[in-house]
Amino acid sequence: AQSVTQLGSHVSVSEGALVLLRCNYSSSVPPYLFWYVQYPNQGLQLLLKYTTGATLVKGINGFEAEFKKSETSFHLTKPSAHMSDAAEYFCAVSDRYTGGFKTIFGAGTRLFVKA
Amino acid sequence: EPEVTQTPSHQVTQMGQEVILRCVPISNHLYFYWYRQILGQKVEFLVSFYNNEISEKSEIFDDQFSVERPDGSNFTLKIRSTKLEDSAMYFCASSERQGTNTGELFFGEGSRLTVL
Repeated sequence: AQSVTQLGSHVSVSEGALVLLRCNYSSSVPPYLFWYVQYPNQGLQLLLKYTTGATLVKGINGFEAEFKKSETSFHLTKPSAHMSDAAEYFCAVSDRYTGGFKTIFGAGTRLFVKA
Repeated sequence: EPEVTQTPSHQVTQMGQEVILRCVPISNHLYFYWYRQILGQKVEFLVSFYNNEISEKSEIFDDQFSVERPDGSNFTLKIRSTKLEDSAMYFCASSERQGTNTGELFFGEGSRLTVL
């Protein structure tokens, strides 16, 4: 069965500092991995995804994530935080089946950015 | 840019009442989903729908829930007799047809349900 663990429900960084949001997953098959962002009172928006190929994935707004199979991790990073990055971030894992994809989300990490 | 739209954005109802939440997925998508997010908690999978039938559902999706695609555009979630614990944000999502589908979900902005 799939599962996703996000370490840290809240992360606080200063503007300009490195952002690191941790995600570990379990999946019985090669996973599709995603990071979604949720701004207040909005739906979830895809930041980036890993399906196959290069393990370092670049997404929108300067974010990137690296798929490490040996560590079953898919941590999200951004070299320099901006105030507009303050939001909730969800790591997700998908398994494909005939009827589509079953996507399981982590509990989320709220990112605070201090001026 | 195509988007998933949901109505209503907010509904307040009395316990025991029926509620229907509506979604218009992206037009060329074939897979449809409902998720819910109780305030401050994780996004939980409810149900997936493909080829006019439920393809998978979670343990949350019990007999009081149903989904329907009544025409070529709408996708609805019905809660037959609402309970207090049904209060949540409900998100509709869709994904592309098989072959081009990489599992990315396209979400609507959600319908907030408040059960009193």
